[in-house]
Amino acid sequence: GESVGLHLPTLSVQEGDNSIINCAYSNSASDYFIWYKQESGKGPQFIIDIRSNMDKRQGQRVTVLLNKTVKHLSLQIAATQPGDSAVYFCAENTILTGGGNKLTFGTGTQLKVEL
Amino acid sequence: DGGITQSPKYLFRKEGQNVTLSCEQNLNHDAMYWYRQDPGQGLRLIYYSQIVNDFQKGDIAEGYSVSREKKESFPLTVTSAQKNPTAFYLCASSIVRESNTGELFFGEGSRLTVL
Repeated sequence: GESVGLHLPTLSVQEGDNSIINCAYSNSASDYFIWYKQESGKGPQFIIDIRSNMDKRQGQRVTVLLNKTVKHLSLQIAATQPGDSAVYFCAENTILTGGGNKLTFGTGTQLKVEL
Repeated sequence: DGGITQSPKYLFRKEGQNVTLSCEQNLNHDAMYWYRQDPGQGLRLIYYSQIVNDFQKGDIAEGYSVSREKKESFPLTVTSAQKNPTAFYLCASSIVRESNTGELFFGEGSRLTVL
């Protein structure tokens, strides 16, 4: 079956350092890959997405890299701050016939920022 | 402010009882979704709706039912047939278009505990 998985369940970084969160996927037919951030007790928040025909996309302090050869997705957070502490999920999106989204989520990585 | 409102935030239920979780959005989104999240796991899709009066089963629809009588509302009923209903339930919405990226807007979630 199709799956999205993460390499590391927990990542600890020092404040100010860069963070890299990795994700493996198996469905080559996905249209987009997305990263979500979930703080404790809250719903996930969209961070950034990348279309399947791209290999890099940058946002504010975040960069997503897509390596289709090895089916690998990563999220880089520059100058990690305490407010970045959360669980990060990667997700694959297949656009539905009606235009909606069919997201398949990975299991998540807990990012802990140490002061 | 525009957003998604889920209620109740916490809910306790006895075995054998049905319970309905409310989800309302004022984002004017056509598509709405229900996800289930278990501890340490990713989100799994229960049901989704791309238009009023239409909805589709997701990956784990057994024991759940939904309705979509209004664009703004997508209530989820957890029936007594759901064998393991204790979980965190998340409602989301999105626009519907061909170039959809996969950005979902999530509510704050409803935590259901079966006693």
